[in-house]
Amino acid sequence: QSALTQPASVSGSPGQSITISCTGTSSDLGSYNLVSWYQQHPGRAPKLMFYEVSKRPSGVSSRFSASKSGNTASLTISGLRAEDEADYYCCSYGGSSNYVFGNGTRVTVL
Amino acid sequence: EVQLVESGGGLVQPGGSLRLSCVGSGFIFRSYEMNWVRQAPGKGLEWIAYISGSDNSIYYADSVKGRFTISRDNAKNSLFLQLNSLRADDTALYYCAREMGGSTTLDYWGQGTLVTVSS
Repeated sequence: QSALTQPASVSGSPGQSITISCTGTSSDLGSYNLVSWYQQHPGRAPKLMFYEVSKRPSGVSSRFSASKSGNTASLTISGLRAEDEADYYCCSYGGSSNYVFGNGTRVTVL
Repeated sequence: EVQLVESGGGLVQPGGSLRLSCVGSGFIFRSYEMNWVRQAPGKGLEWIAYISGSDNSIYYADSVKGRFTISRDNAKNSLFLQLNSLRADDTALYYCAREMGGSTTLDYWGQGTLVTVSS
């Protein structure tokens, strides 16, 4: 299976909102409401930010929100802060207990 | 507190073998499905293997099928990945990740163990 498609980079100024898209196919992202998002700071393990499209684990800021429509999922960060600067990966269940990740988006806070 | 700690990485020549381990703590290990995910230097995440709690279901990514073997020892709260016929493009940080109970989501990850395949 091919990786989900994300923009390589997205940037914004502090306080602004940004949105990261994640596009799959009808065989993966479009077939399951099992989309998750991960934040990864340099040298650190991925951290779960959302699961099952829009469920936020405890401890994740409400400035983050997520959604899905058809074959595309989105992650929005509102009130951008310096600590949000990281790589973000979407992930979808791909059937047969396998996962498909996005190629990753580098978020830069200007 | 849930913790996953990987070990066993290192430098290996092309065609060589390595066995990675992951020890889980802070949760009932045998009750959770486990996975291995890798990340090549400067690249994205790639899922490579899954094993059910009772290890009666196992799945692999096509890129490692026939070369890698996932297994577990629930008595020792341990997950393993046997890597054979290693190639340069297997060079990566290998993470073990727990699958969330009741959801197909990887909720906790270890810090990873680095495998470098080079002559």
